[in-house]
Amino acid sequence: AQSVTQPDIHITVSEGASLELRCNYSYGATPYLFWYVQSPGQGLQLLLKYFSGDTLVQGIKGFEAEFKRSQSSFNLRKPSVHWSDAAEYFCAVGANSGNTPLVFGKGTRLSVIA
Amino acid sequence: GAVVSQHPSRVICKSGTSVKIECRSLDFQATTMFWYRQFPKQSLMLMATSNEGSKATYEQGVEKDKFLINHASLTLSTLTVTSAHPEDSSFYICSAREVRRTRYGYTFGSGTRLTVV
Repeated sequence: AQSVTQPDIHITVSEGASLELRCNYSYGATPYLFWYVQSPGQGLQLLLKYFSGDTLVQGIKGFEAEFKRSQSSFNLRKPSVHWSDAAEYFCAVGANSGNTPLVFGKGTRLSVIA
Repeated sequence: GAVVSQHPSRVICKSGTSVKIECRSLDFQATTMFWYRQFPKQSLMLMATSNEGSKATYEQGVEKDKFLINHASLTLSTLTVTSAHPEDSSFYICSAREVRRTRYGYTFGSGTRLTVV
């Protein structure tokens, strides 16, 4: 079974600063990797996903993530954080098989200060 | 794109009553449906996986007699919380896949916030 580790429970960054959220996964086959964002009381919004091909993936809201198979990582980055980026971020791993569920990490809460 | 409609978005019910949550795939065939639960300030935890026309497979620790899942058609899956109690208060969210189009990923509903009083 697959698993996801997000080592950082809470990160605080200044507005305009760069951001990197870490994600490590464990899965024996080719992973499908996702980053979601969730604002308080809201549902999930997909930021980006990786299935295959170019290991640097561009997403919405200026986010990008890089798949590094050798490190089993899929870290999320943003060059300049906005106050509206404050939210909970979840990394998730799935697979091509239709019956394979998405497994989520515990999430990283991002706070943005002025 | 693929859309999953989940209803209701919020529900408050009395302890001991049952609540049904619906997830409908609007523009694709949801051959597989996943149901998740999210407690406050926690991550999403998989409750069960269901395939159209088959019985659901529940994760360890999830009571199948309490959380009834029906996936009788390719466009509709329901989760019924039976004899709900305050500890069942949570955010429930469904996710659907079409087995022949897995590269389209996982499509999530908007979630249902259940409060049991």
